[in-house]
Amino acid sequence: SQTIHQWPATLVQPVGSPLSLECTVEGTSNPNLYWYRQAAGRGLQLLFYSVGIGQISSEVPQNLSASRPQDRQFILSSKKLLLSDSGFYLCAWSEREWDTGELFFGEGSRLTVL
Amino acid sequence: GQNIDQPTEMTATEGAIVQINCTYQTSGFNGLFWYQQHAGEAPTFLSYNVLDGLEEKGRFSSFLSRSKGYSYLLLKELQMKDSASYLCAVRDSNYQLIWGAGTKLIIKP
Repeated sequence: SQTIHQWPATLVQPVGSPLSLECTVEGTSNPNLYWYRQAAGRGLQLLFYSVGIGQISSEVPQNLSASRPQDRQFILSSKKLLLSDSGFYLCAWSEREWDTGELFFGEGSRLTVL
Repeated sequence: GQNIDQPTEMTATEGAIVQINCTYQTSGFNGLFWYQQHAGEAPTFLSYNVLDGLEEKGRFSSFLSRSKGYSYLLLKELQMKDSASYLCAVRDSNYQLIWGAGTKLIIKP
C-alpha cells in the first residue's frame, strides 16, 4: 500500500533562519507531488507541484522553493524565513492519471516563525 | 476570480443529520471534492462528484448541481468522532484544486 511521510512534525524557527521540510512517498511510482500551506481560517494554498523529477511549478511568488531530487522525494526550502511563513504545511501526492483527483496527504508540519 | 464559499462553523447533535453547503465560482469545472480534517491532522478524502446528483457512501452523501454551482455534504447518524472541519474543493479547467476555507462541525451530545 502507498504511504506518505513528511517531517519534521513541528518546528519553531527564528526569522531569517533557513527551512527544510522533507516528504517521501512509498508504494507508488511517478506520483504527482504537492506542497500546500494552510493558514487559520483560510483554504489550502497550493505552493508547488511536481509531475516528475526536477519538474517544479510554483503557484505563489514567495521566498520558498521546492525540489524533487528523486521520484518520490519532495523538499520545501527557504533560505530566510519570514514571520508570514508560519503555518501548517502539507505534502500530498496523487496518481499521475488522476481519475478521481484524490489527494493523499502527509501528516503535516507546523511551522512557527518567531 | 475563483471562489469557494462554505459556512465557517456549524453545530449539530449526536445522532442527528447535518447538511454542509458549498457554493463555487471557478474557471471551468472538473469535479468537486469533500475532505474531512480533524484538528491538527491532515485532510482525508470523503467524496468526489463530477456529474449532477447524489453520491452516497455509508453515513455520508454528497450532492452536486453544476448549473447552480452548488454542492452539499450530508452526514447522517452523527457521531462524536465526526467533529472536524469539512473542506470543499473544486478542480478547475487547469485541473488545479481550489479550496474553500472549511466548515468546522461541532457535535454536541
